[in-house]
Amino acid sequence: DSGVTQTPKHLITATGQRVTLRCSPRSGDLSVYWYQQSLDQGLQFLIQYYNGEERAKGNILERFSAQQFPDLHSELNLSSLELGDSALYFCASSVDRGAYGYTFGSGTRLTVV
Amino acid sequence: EDQVTQSPEALRLQEGESSSLNCSYTVSGLRGLFWYRQDPGKGPEFLFTLYSAGEEKEKERLKATLTKKESFLHITAPKPEDSATYLCAVVYRGSQGNLIFGKGTKLSVKP
Repeated sequence: DSGVTQTPKHLITATGQRVTLRCSPRSGDLSVYWYQQSLDQGLQFLIQYYNGEERAKGNILERFSAQQFPDLHSELNLSSLELGDSALYFCASSVDRGAYGYTFGSGTRLTVV
Repeated sequence: EDQVTQSPEALRLQEGESSSLNCSYTVSGLRGLFWYRQDPGKGPEFLFTLYSAGEEKEKERLKATLTKKESFLHITAPKPEDSATYLCAVVYRGSQGNLIFGKGTKLSVKP
């Protein structure tokens, strides 16, 4: 157990739907990062939050959004889902802004049918 | 243009057959290079961080080295349980603290 908790572990939904993925960071960690991993693209950075504030955006689609709450957990919202959104979504956390690496959760596998 | 390139994409070894994985990077202002291990369906697991050229880190059968343009992950006398995908990532001046990953090397070690 890495200390980073992601729920749910698996999610199957239909095209056009909206889902919410949840992440609880390791105790004491202030930064949360979201990554998408598909077979052909590898791990792609989506977005970073630090202590409740958005700090950096990567290759995140406009249909996707995220937030970090006062208790530091984070949610990634995916809407108007397409078949191509099927992937593993990972959350990671770090105590600082990441220069020393971070700890990943076990991921949420999203399947869009 | 890929900033982090890993080779080979896949590597098959016999148990005990030592080899090396390569990670080359083209970013400037490197702040850290990271190696992770990922098992199928699991999250990446941290192995090493290297910060400056010439630095080396070891853990069991694994040894990571860093030059100004690349890093190697040396695997000595691998065992089947070393089978996994090994990911390399960098943090650099323009990445805002975010890890930029290569696509990984899938290692299979046969008994």
